[in-house]
Parts: sequence; structure tokens; C-alpha cells
Amino acid sequence: GENVEQHPSTLSVQEGDSAVIKCTYSDSASNYFPWYKQELGKRPQLIIDIRSNVGEKKDQRIAVTLNKTAKHFSLHITETQPEDSAVYFCAATDNYGQNFVFGPGTRLSVLP
Amino acid sequence: ETGVTQSPTHLIKTRGQQVTLRCSSQSGHNTVSWYQQALGQGPQFIFQYYREEENGRGNFPPRFSGLQFPNYSSELNVNALELDDSALYLCASSLEGAGNTEAFFGQGTRLTVV
Repeated sequence: GENVEQHPSTLSVQEGDSAVIKCTYSDSASNYFPWYKQELGKRPQLIIDIRSNVGEKKDQRIAVTLNKTAKHFSLHITETQPEDSAVYFCAATDNYGQNFVFGPGTRLSVLP
Repeated sequence: ETGVTQSPTHLIKTRGQQVTLRCSSQSGHNTVSWYQQALGQGPQFIFQYYREEENGRGNFPPRFSGLQFPNYSSELNVNALELDDSALYLCASSLEGAGNTEAFFGQGTRLTVV
């Protein structure tokens, strides 16, 4: 079955700097890769996603890149703000899409 | 905020008891997936329901069971509760299966087993 690894587990950046979180997956059949942000005590919120027919997708300060050959994808946050502080989860699923397999999460702290 | 709602928000049960958690999916969504999120970990897939049928199951024992109703709302039932069942239980709704389409989570039910 699919296995998703995520690094780093914790990340601290200064406000205004960029943050990068990296994930790898094992199942080459996976073709949909969402990223979720979860603030303390709240639900995971979808912030961006990418499908396997696309190499990069951007939405304002957030971008995701996908390398299908290497089976890894990354989340990039530019001009970080304190409200970006949260736990970020990557996930992968395939066309049969019965479930998402989540990474273990990255706790991002943006220091003022 | 998503249109996915879960009830109750918090629950305390005793080991050996049974519990039912409920989820109302977002309007227009026909698929509900349930996840267990232990403290400090990512969500783990329990099972998915699509058009009232189970459509995939993760590595959870049979004492975890579910239902989906004609209005696409769903229940998660857990029998013979164990201490390790203490977690945040999340449901996510999507259209035509969770793969390849966005899935939106409810706020979760925090279950504590004592």
C-alpha cells in the first residue's frame, strides 16, 4: 500500500522568510496530492492540491511542486506570516481514490 | 468553513462501551470517509462510504463499522471501546470518491475512553 513520508517534522522560520515542506510517496499509481493545514483544535483545511498531470501549481503565497519520477512533492510558502503557524499534512491517493494516505505532519512556527 | 458537520464534538466513554459518531456531508457530496487522528499524528483512514455502500477500508478491526444514509450523512460505530481508541475522529465529504477530488473535513469528534 501507499506510504507517505514528510520532512521536517518541525520547522521554525522568521516572519517574511520562506518555508518548504517535502513529502515522498511510494505508490506510483498515486495521482492526487492535497495539502492540509490544521490549526490547534481545528479541522484540517485544504490549502492547495496538485494532480499528477501538472508539475507545479501556485495560489498567492502558496505553491506546490510535484516530481513524479522521483515520487516527491513539496509545499512552498513565501512571505510567511504568524497566522501560517500550524501543522501541515501532505497526502496522496490514486484514481481508485478510496482514501488519502497522510504524512505524519510538519509543525510550522513563524516567529515575529 | 466547510458544510461538513459532526456530532457530538466531545465524548467520554468507558472501556468496553459502544459509541456512535455522526457526520453530515457537504451539500452535493455523495461520499463520506472517516479518519482517526491520534494526538500528534496524521489522520488514518478507517473506511469510506459511497452511495450507501462501503467503498474501501483501512487497517481497522471489525468493531469499527459504519453506515451511510440516503441523504449521504454517515455514522461511525465503535464497539467494545479500548483506551487506544481515544482520538479525534474526522469525517471528510467529497464527490464521487475521495481520490482525485477535494475532500473537506468536519470539525471532528474528540473521543476519550477511560
